[in-house]
Formats: sequence, C-alpha cells, structure tokens
Amino acid sequence: EPEVTQTPSHQVTQMGQEVILRCVPISNHLYFYWYRQILGQKVEFLVSFYNNEISEKSEIFDDQFSVERPDGSNFTLKIRSTKLEDSAMYFCASSEIQSGNTIYFGEGSWLTVV
Amino acid sequence: SQQGEEDPQALSIQEGENATMNCSYKTSINNLQWYRQNSGRGLVHLILIRSNEREKHSGRLRVTLDTSKKSSSLLITASRAADTASYFCAPLFTNDYKLSFGAGTTVTVRA
Repeated sequence: EPEVTQTPSHQVTQMGQEVILRCVPISNHLYFYWYRQILGQKVEFLVSFYNNEISEKSEIFDDQFSVERPDGSNFTLKIRSTKLEDSAMYFCASSEIQSGNTIYFGEGSWLTVV
Repeated sequence: SQQGEEDPQALSIQEGENATMNCSYKTSINNLQWYRQNSGRGLVHLILIRSNEREKHSGRLRVTLDTSKKSSSLLITASRAADTASYFCAPLFTNDYKLSFGAGTTVTVRA
C-alpha cells in the first residue's frame, strides 16, 4: 500500500537552530498537511497545502514556520529559530482530494530541541 | 475549537474480549475517520465512515455512526495483544478541510 514517508525519524537540535523536516506524500495525492503532537498531548493541525500554496493554517503556524513543495515529490516543513516548546512529533499527511477521502499519515519526525 | 471526544479515556481488557470506544462531536460532519497510534509511532488509518453511512466493517473492526446523536463507535472484536494502542476519532466537519483529533482512547489488551 502506498505510504507517506518522512525524514528524519528523529532529530535533536540546539535551541535557535533551523530545522527542515521532509515528507514524500503519496504520489497521486494533491493535498498535504502537517500536524504535530507534543508528548502526551493531542494531535494538532498546523497547516494544509494545495496547488503550491497554503490553504489553511492554525494559530500555532506562526512566522517561525514555513512549508514548501520544492519539487514534484517532496513537501517540507521549516522551523526557524527553534524553541524548546517546538519539541514534538511532527506528522506529514496527504489526501487525494480535499474532503471526503482518507487522509494518510506518515510515521512522524521526532524533534527534540535542547 | 471543534473536535471529536473519545470515551473512555482508557480501557483495559483481556485478550479475546471485545473493546468498544465512543466518539462524540458537536457539529455536522462530512465523514469521520478512526486512527490507531502505537506508542511513539505514526497514525495508522483504520476506517473512514461517511455521513450517509451507518456502519462499516474492516476485518475485526466495526464502526457505527449516528449523525442524529453526533456520535460514532469503534468495536474491536476478539482483541489481541497487538491491538494495544491509542485510538483516535477524527471528524471532518462540514465546510472544514482538516481533521480534528481528540485525546484518544488508550486500549491495553492483557495476555
């Protein structure tokens, strides 16, 4: 079964450093998402992306965050100047259409900010 | 913000028993998706049920949806140790395009 793949699986970074999390969505999917889950907390929506632009973002997704689809297969989340509270599991997800279809999630990237 | 709320928060059962967990939500939905998450791992999609459907099955999983009560249930039959995980319902609300997750139900299956 096709799957969403994410790299790295785990990254440790110094506070203030920039981090890029990478995702390869399922190949025929058009809608892409980033969610995050702080340890022991709920899965929270960050941003959705379609047709090379952000379609929706949450309050969490402030100027520190950016997303990009640099080529036909990758979808990245950049976190500038990381803070301790950015430590979380970050999930990439994709779906074929915007509503009514299954949204598939990757295995996640654990980010630890020290 | 709107989201699904799972109940109970935690469930402990003996292997071979059935596990039932419920999800409630407050506004109309397009569909509702159930996911499983093993500790520290990703979200695995289990079942999608659309607002015009009442019941769906997938292997040992049975999902029901009652839109009049704004609730859904997930039944795992003949549970196995490998079913130990957290289970989340994620409604896709009408006129919204993102899933909203609750705190989940943590299921422990004892051998």
